[in-house]
Amino acid sequence: GENVEQHPSTLSVQEGDSAVIKCTYSDSASNYFPWYKQELGKGPQLIIDIRSNVGEKKDQRIAVTLNKTAKHFSLHITETQPEDSAVYFCAATLSGSARQLTFGSGTQLTVLP
Amino acid sequence: GAVVSQHPSRVICKSGTSVKIECRSLDFQATTMFWYRQFPKQSLMLMATSNEGSKATYEQGVEKDKFLINHASLTLSTLTVTSAHPEDSSFYICSALPRTSGGFQETQYFGPGTRLLVL
Repeated sequence: GENVEQHPSTLSVQEGDSAVIKCTYSDSASNYFPWYKQELGKGPQLIIDIRSNVGEKKDQRIAVTLNKTAKHFSLHITETQPEDSAVYFCAATLSGSARQLTFGSGTQLTVLP
Repeated sequence: GAVVSQHPSRVICKSGTSVKIECRSLDFQATTMFWYRQFPKQSLMLMATSNEGSKATYEQGVEKDKFLINHASLTLSTLTVTSAHPEDSSFYICSALPRTSGGFQETQYFGPGTRLLVL
């Protein structure tokens, strides 16, 4: 089955700096990679996703890159703000299969004012 | 769009009682819903996959007689924790896969979670 590893487990950055979170996956068949943000006491919210037919996707301050050959993908947050502080989870699955997501272990991001 | 609700948001119950948690997709139909359990500072642990009109598929180690799942309609799945004990205290989260005409499913939308405390 799929295995997703996520690093780092905790990340502290100064407000305005960039944050990068990295994930690797094991199953080369996986082709859909979402990122979720979870605030304390709430459910995960989808913030961006990428499919294996593209290498990069950007949405305002958030971007995701995918390297299929190396089987890793990364989340980039620029110009971080205190409200970006949360736990971020990466995930991987095979699109169209209704297969469950395999989640990374999560990264606690703290943006210091 | 793509809103998933859960009810209740938090529940406190006595040991030995049963608790039902509802998961609803408010603005879309979901043929597949998932139930997760999350302990503090940990990732989401998949408990079971729920398909409308059929029996749920449970992950290894999850007792199907203790965690009863019913997916009676395309917008509602329920999780019943039977004979709850303090070790069942956790954060339970559901997610739903939108049903599409082309059968193309990928994005899971999560509910806000239910905090269960068993005394």
